Parts: sequence; structure tokens; C-alpha cells
Amino acid sequence: AQSVSQHNHHVILSEAASLELGCNYSYGGTVNLFWYVQYPGQHLQLLLKYFSGDPLVKGIKGFEAEFIKSKFSFNLRKPSVQWSDTAEYFCAVHMEYGNKLVFGAGTILRVKS
Amino acid sequence: KAGVTQTPRYLIKTRGQQVTLSCSPISGHRSVSWYQQTPGQGLQFLFEYFSETQRNKGNFPGRFSGRQFSNSRSEMNVSTLELGDSALYLCASSEGSSIGTEAFFGQGTRLTVV
Repeated sequence: AQSVSQHNHHVILSEAASLELGCNYSYGGTVNLFWYVQYPGQHLQLLLKYFSGDPLVKGIKGFEAEFIKSKFSFNLRKPSVQWSDTAEYFCAVHMEYGNKLVFGAGTILRVKS
Repeated sequence: KAGVTQTPRYLIKTRGQQVTLSCSPISGHRSVSWYQQTPGQGLQFLFEYFSETQRNKGNFPGRFSGRQFSNSRSEMNVSTLELGDSALYLCASSEGSSIGTEAFFGQGTRLTVV
């Protein structure tokens, strides 16, 4: 079955540290890729998306992600996190077969000030 | 544009009861998807509707059902509630005919089954 794996469920960082959250999927066909963020008490918001073209995509708030097709990965990065980045981050993959959006289990990021 | 609106925001029900949740998509969006969110499980896909037709269904029992109206508003129903149905239920709408386009989420309905 198609699945999306996020490697870490909890991540704790100090402010100004660099962030990388891993995301891997199991599906060999065409995909659209997303990272969503859920701040405490708020609804899910789109951070960035990849449909085609340059595999390095930039999103809001200084986040970026790189699609590596050969590794079935779409890792999220930020060079220097802020306390306000404390949130839960979800990787999501739209798989052409079945036309469905599959989410990873999420990574809770806590940034210490 | 107004965002995705879900009502009610909170619900408390007892086991065995049924519940109906409502979702109003962003104006012009014809695709509506429903997800169940629980701690540690992430978002589990329930079903997706487009132009009043269910196009896709996740791996949930038949107690979970939904429908979409001609104005794209959608409802989901859970019958014979179980304690394990306690979760945040999220609705998302998309502009295109494919849910591979960007999905916009509502704030969710927090269902507690006691």
C-alpha cells in the first residue's frame, strides 16, 4: 500500500539551529508533494509544494524542501529556526493512482528560546 | 474569500449515538475531502467528493459515510459511535478536479465520544 513516512515524531531544537525533517514515500508513479504546518490551536496551512520543475522548492517563512526522485524523498529544511516555528509538520503526497492525498504521521517540532 | 468552514467546532457524544459534521468549502471549490486526525496517527483519509460524487474512499468501516450537495457543501456522518472515533475531523477543499492540487483545510470538528 502507498505510504508516507516521517522519520522523527518529536524534534527539539534551540533557536538558530538548523532544521531538517525527513519524508519518504512508497509509490513509483507521478506524485505531487506538500508540506503542511499546524501551529498550536490553528488549522493546517500549506508551507510549500512541488508539482514539477526545479526539485528545490521554497516556501513561506524561510522553509525549503528538496525532492529527490531516486530516493522517494521530500525533506523539509530551514537554516535557522525561530521559537515561532514550534508546530507540527506534515508531509503529504498526492499519488496519481487512486487520486488520493496521503499524509505522514507528523513531526512535532519544539523550538527552545 | 472566506476559508473552509466546519461546524460544529466541538461535539461530545455517547457511545452508540450518531453524529453529522458539516463542511462549507471555499467558494468555487468543487472537491471536498475528509480526514480523521488522532495523535501519533497523523491524518487518515476518509473520503473525497467532487461534484456530488464520491470519488475515493479510505479504509474506514461503513459506519463512516458522507455526501456532497449541489452547492459543494459536504457532510459526514458517523453512526453507532465508538470510543475510538474520538478525533479531530478535518475537511479540505480544492479548486481543481484533482485532489493533487493544493488543499485548504478548515479548523476541524473535535469529536469526543464518552
